[in-house]
Amino acid sequence: NAGVTQTPKFRVLKTGQSMTLLCAQDMNHEYMYWYRQDPGMGLRLIHYSVGEGTTAKGEVPDGYNVSRLKKQNFLLGLESAAPSQTSVYFCASTDRTQGANEKLFFGSGTQLSVL
Amino acid sequence: AQSVTQLGSHVSVSEGALVLLRCNYSSSVPPYLFWYVQYPNQGLQLLLKYTSAATLVKGINGFEAEFKKSETSFHLTKPSAHMSDAAEYFCAVSLTGFQKLVFGTGTRLLVSP
Repeated sequence: NAGVTQTPKFRVLKTGQSMTLLCAQDMNHEYMYWYRQDPGMGLRLIHYSVGEGTTAKGEVPDGYNVSRLKKQNFLLGLESAAPSQTSVYFCASTDRTQGANEKLFFGSGTQLSVL
Repeated sequence: AQSVTQLGSHVSVSEGALVLLRCNYSSSVPPYLFWYVQYPNQGLQLLLKYTSAATLVKGINGFEAEFKKSETSFHLTKPSAHMSDAAEYFCAVSLTGFQKLVFGTGTRLLVSP
């Protein structure tokens, strides 16, 4: 059982380049999330999705776009990368059920550097 | 807006000593509260969570946390630290579950022999 898989694990971009980060989960989860992690700032929510075909903005959405065409995949796009987007990006997922078993499952992260 | 404050970006303990990681939240109503752990080069893993069923919550690896409404705190403790506990720990808060989960800035736990 792979859980949440992020690709790529590392990437270096030049300012202005574009790229897409892929998140795939095999747990049939409804909810998926993209976070960025920066030193001293914890994790901040970029965008999230509550189901196939839906997306919503989080705390820091500017400069990013997302798509959820298939339930198992959540793509994060950078159209024109900027140095301020240098960060570690985490994808997470969870199912719709509230209660004792509710928790986020995280991928292992993508380290992105924008020069 | 709801938020969490973690006191101390780094906490150092000796192996076998008590671990205490502090978390205070700001919310006008009792929220959902979580502690996550991140080992080097890995994603976050849930340690424990509070959802109003009981004020003392037991999690994995011997960790527990107590919800104190009067102090708006949810501190994480473990009676005896192990070398394998060295990691970064994040407190998180939400009013509605995971749609609006807000993380603290993290506390790195260092365990010395």
